[in-house]
Amino acid sequence: GQQLNQSPQSMFIQEGEDVSMNCTSSSIFNTWLWYKQDPGEGPVLLIALYKAGELTSNGRLTAQFGITRKDSFLNISASIPSDVGIYFCAGLGSSNYKLTFGKGTLLTVNP
Amino acid sequence: DSGVTQTPKHLITATGQRVTLRCSPRSGDLSVYWYQQSLDQGLQFLIQYYNGEERAKGNILERFSAQQFPDLHSELNLSSLELGDSALYFCASSADLRTALSGTGELFFGEGSRLTVL
Repeated sequence: GQQLNQSPQSMFIQEGEDVSMNCTSSSIFNTWLWYKQDPGEGPVLLIALYKAGELTSNGRLTAQFGITRKDSFLNISASIPSDVGIYFCAGLGSSNYKLTFGKGTLLTVNP
Repeated sequence: DSGVTQTPKHLITATGQRVTLRCSPRSGDLSVYWYQQSLDQGLQFLIQYYNGEERAKGNILERFSAQQFPDLHSELNLSSLELGDSALYFCASSADLRTALSGTGELFFGEGSRLTVL
């Protein structure tokens, strides 16, 4: 089946630093989504990308849909303590309607 | 609040037992998805229903089953429970992922049901 490789697995950063994480796949995806999961909560959608090359921002978050359609990255600028959580990428292929999730990036922000 | 309601929030049971997890999707959403989240496996897709019918199946064990009722709520039944079934089980809903390319395509997740099998 389709698999997503998300990296890094975890990050420890200082408040104010920028963060970058990415997902790659051997398969082509038509949609890339980035979710954040706070402790004890379900994942919440941050950004959705629908076109190759698309660059979309949501506040301090910016995500891009790779032009090969096999990768995506998420950047967080000027991190703050509430950015702590697990960030998941998810991809939707053309041949099915199941979202495939990456294993997540655990972000810790030190005040 | 995503609008997706899951019950129970926590459940502790013994091996060999059977449990039922319940999900009410967002008002108007026709699709319901079930995911299993464990520490080492991340979010694993189990099964999807659309308007009462099974749409897609993922890594769902034969001991597990689900259904979506006419009022669109869904139940996930887990039977002959094993220690390894301990996990967070999430329900998510969407209008219909078929419109993903032209619509929002996102899933709205509930807060999950934490199952502990002792």
